[in-house]
This record gives sequence, structure tokens and C-alpha cells, in this order.
Amino acid sequence: DSGVTQTPKHLITATGQRVTLRCSPRSGDLSVYWYQQSLDQGLQFLIQYYNGEERAKGNILERFSAQQFPDLHSELNLSSLELGDSALYFCASSVDVGGEQYFGPGTRLTVT
Amino acid sequence: QQQVKQSPQSLIVQKGGISIINCAYENTAFDYFPWYQQFPGKGPALLIAIRPDVSEKKEGRFTISFNKSAKQFSLHIMDSQPGDSATYFCAASQMDSSYKLIFGSGTRLLVRP
Repeated sequence: DSGVTQTPKHLITATGQRVTLRCSPRSGDLSVYWYQQSLDQGLQFLIQYYNGEERAKGNILERFSAQQFPDLHSELNLSSLELGDSALYFCASSVDVGGEQYFGPGTRLTVT
Repeated sequence: QQQVKQSPQSLIVQKGGISIINCAYENTAFDYFPWYQQFPGKGPALLIAIRPDVSEKKEGRFTISFNKSAKQFSLHIMDSQPGDSATYFCAASQMDSSYKLIFGSGTRLLVRP
């Protein structure tokens, strides 16, 4: 157990809908990262937050957005969902801006 | 230039054997190279990591070998056990700028009893 928690574990929704994935970092970690894992794209970095501020952005679609709250938990919002958005979404956290990243158990999103 | 290439895609090893997974990168600015282990239905778990100032790092049965001039690094699993059967990912990042991990495509390891 990495100490990173993610909810929900599974999410099934329809195309066009909007969902919110939640992540709580390890106690004391200030950075949160979001990754997408799919069969065709592998593990891809989406976005990083550090102490509430956006720090780095990867190949994140405009339909996706994220934020980190004062209690350091983070939410990833996915809107206008398409079939191709079906994937595993992982959150990771690290103590500082960089450093060792510890991954949560993931949220499996299925868009039907 | 941001890619990390990983091979082989899959690997079958007998119990007690050595498993070797290789990765190559192009971006010479990368300065942190972790390996992750992922079991089905679980998140990637940090296994071992290396910085380019050393050529080898060992933790238990797991060893990373790093060749800076060749821009390659590899994971060796000594005395491989059935419980090591999982997917292994190498990754790379720049610790002083963007901390995002660039992952290899993964290697599915099966250790036969």
C-alpha cells in the first residue's frame, strides 16, 4: 500500500458525460501527478500540481481539467467523454516538487 | 527526444534465473531513472531508481545498470521467483525542470516454477 488513495475504483459512464476522479496524496506529500494508462498509449503524464498550484502539463486534453485543494487532495475532471477516454487513471504523489513518485491504485473508467 | 524505448515486450524466465529488461533514452537532460512494478489491477509500485552519477545500484535481488554514454539502463532481477511475475516499466525524468515521468512501454515478465 503506497498511502495514496483514489476514488472511485471503477466508473462506468456514457459518452458525453462528465466525471470527477479524486485522489488523496500520502501524508506529507505536496505534489500530485495524474497519469493515464491505456493499451495503445501506455502510461502518459497528464498534469502535476504542487501545493495547490499547477506545476507541469503533459498531453492533457482540453476537455480534462484538474485542481489541488488546500487540504492537498486533487480532483481530475473529465468532460464530454468519448469512448477513447476509457482507461486507467492513476494519481501519484511525492514529497516535494520532484522526487520519488508513489502511485495510487487507480480508477478504471469505462465510457460506453 | 522525449521517448524511452523498452525491450523486450515480454519475457519468460525459469525460477532461479536472471531476468533482464533494457531501456534506452534520447534526452541527455534526463537525470532520474526509476523502475516500477505493476501487478494486474494495481498501481505501479516504485521498485528501484538511479541517478546518472552512478553506474549501478543494487537493492536485494534487483539491480539497475546505467550506461550514460550509451544512454541505456537496464533492470536485472536475480534468482527470479514466480512472485516476480508482473509488468515492469522503466521511466525517466528531469528532476530540475519538469518532473513528469516518461514511461517505457512495459515488459510483461512471467517466471515459470
